[in-house]
Amino acid sequence: EVLLVQSGAEVTKPGESLRISCKASGYTFTSHWITWVRQMPGKGLEWMGKIDLIDSSTKYSPALQGHVTISADESINTAYLQWSSLEASDTAIYYCVRHALGYTGWHFFDYWGQGTLVTVSS
Amino acid sequence: QSALTQPASVSGSPGQSITISCTGTSSDVGAYNYVSWYQHRPGKAPKLMIFEVSNRPSGISNRFSGSKSGDTASLTISGLQTEDEADYYCCSHTSSSTWVFGGGTKVTVL
Repeated sequence: EVLLVQSGAEVTKPGESLRISCKASGYTFTSHWITWVRQMPGKGLEWMGKIDLIDSSTKYSPALQGHVTISADESINTAYLQWSSLEASDTAIYYCVRHALGYTGWHFFDYWGQGTLVTVSS
Repeated sequence: QSALTQPASVSGSPGQSITISCTGTSSDVGAYNYVSWYQHRPGKAPKLMIFEVSNRPSGISNRFSGSKSGDTASLTISGLQTEDEADYYCCSHTSSSTWVFGGGTKVTVL
């Protein structure tokens, strides 16, 4: 069974750093890209960026480039999303998501983590 | 990179059909057949309903169907059921090798 299990909720202050995790099981970790999606309070889903687990190459949303970092540790089948300096506007639910192979490419998402609520407040 | 445009809400009575539109540009929806749709119920993780415009994953009811014309994709739910109440999001690959979601549509079963 494919599972993406995310780390627990976090409450932090503006300016602090944070790393949340997503542990994959039930499939070959490097065979599928991982994307991170956020949902800010009362808002819709937003694609943040993705990582190719074979070479750890990343691609970010232009709006978030430089503000977040996506990484992974293949040895423990875990992907990460991290911030060096959080802002109040980073308050959101964050989902890690597995890319799936369709008939013509890897352009949709088949398994989602349970979500990690990050609250940034002074 | 602007979000794809979806109606904020769509409603229908049980048994009826509804259609949710998803309008993008020639750089995303119009450029590729890489539109997918997700159902999102409160407190749950989103669920894949349609991939590559019109394909249903295993286990998804054939009451859900997808299509595309030009820069606009559509999700149709036929034989509407109370369990279909949820938010629905479209998503497209873009020419910048990123992905973009729609703003989401709240489906209400009257």
